Amino acid sequence: GAVVSQHPSWVICKSGTSVKIECRSLDFQATTMFWYRQFPKQSLMLMATSNEGSKATYEQGVEKDKFLINHASLTLSTLTVTSAHPEDSSFYICSARDLWGKPDYEQYFGPGTRLTVT
Amino acid sequence: SQQGEEDPQALSIQEGENATMNCSYKTSINNLQWYRQNSGRGLVHLILIRSNEREKHSGRLRVTLDTSKKSSSLLITASRAADTASYFCATDSDSGGGADGLTFGKGTHLIIQP
Repeated sequence: GAVVSQHPSWVICKSGTSVKIECRSLDFQATTMFWYRQFPKQSLMLMATSNEGSKATYEQGVEKDKFLINHASLTLSTLTVTSAHPEDSSFYICSARDLWGKPDYEQYFGPGTRLTVT
Repeated sequence: SQQGEEDPQALSIQEGENATMNCSYKTSINNLQWYRQNSGRGLVHLILIRSNEREKHSGRLRVTLDTSKKSSSLLITASRAADTASYFCATDSDSGGGADGLTFGKGTHLIIQP
């Protein structure tokens, strides 16, 4: 099946620094990628939708200037958490969708990136 | 937005028993999916049921969908210790184009006691 990877798996950074998380579709072209955030013991919340070659669409309440998304190619989307603070510590999960693939528009999820801001 | 509600929030049963989890949602959907997540790990896709389907089976899993009630259930039969995990339903809304992210329920934490 389709594989999505994320890098890094986990990262610890100091408050005020920026962190970049990569999401790659390994064996298909992802016209659309999604970024989710999951706080401990909670569910996944959609943060933004990333379309290749265009600006990302952010969900209500998600700061676009803080969470920079770049979908520069059909296999790579990046999420940069700028000026990270401890409250940004979370599990960030991406998913990729091949709109020209299966008719059910199945999403393929990456393994997640655990961000801890100290 | 978080539209899925699952119940129970937590469920503890003995190994070998069946586990049933329910999910409700609010908007029209293309499909509903169930995922499993082990503690601190990524999601595992379990099963997808389309809006025009009422029941689907996959191994020990049985999913039902009632679009009139906007609800779904996941049944795991003959549970095993390895089934211990959090289970989430996720809906793919019917807004057209397949370009929307999934909306996840709050999840049910299932514990299988040996």
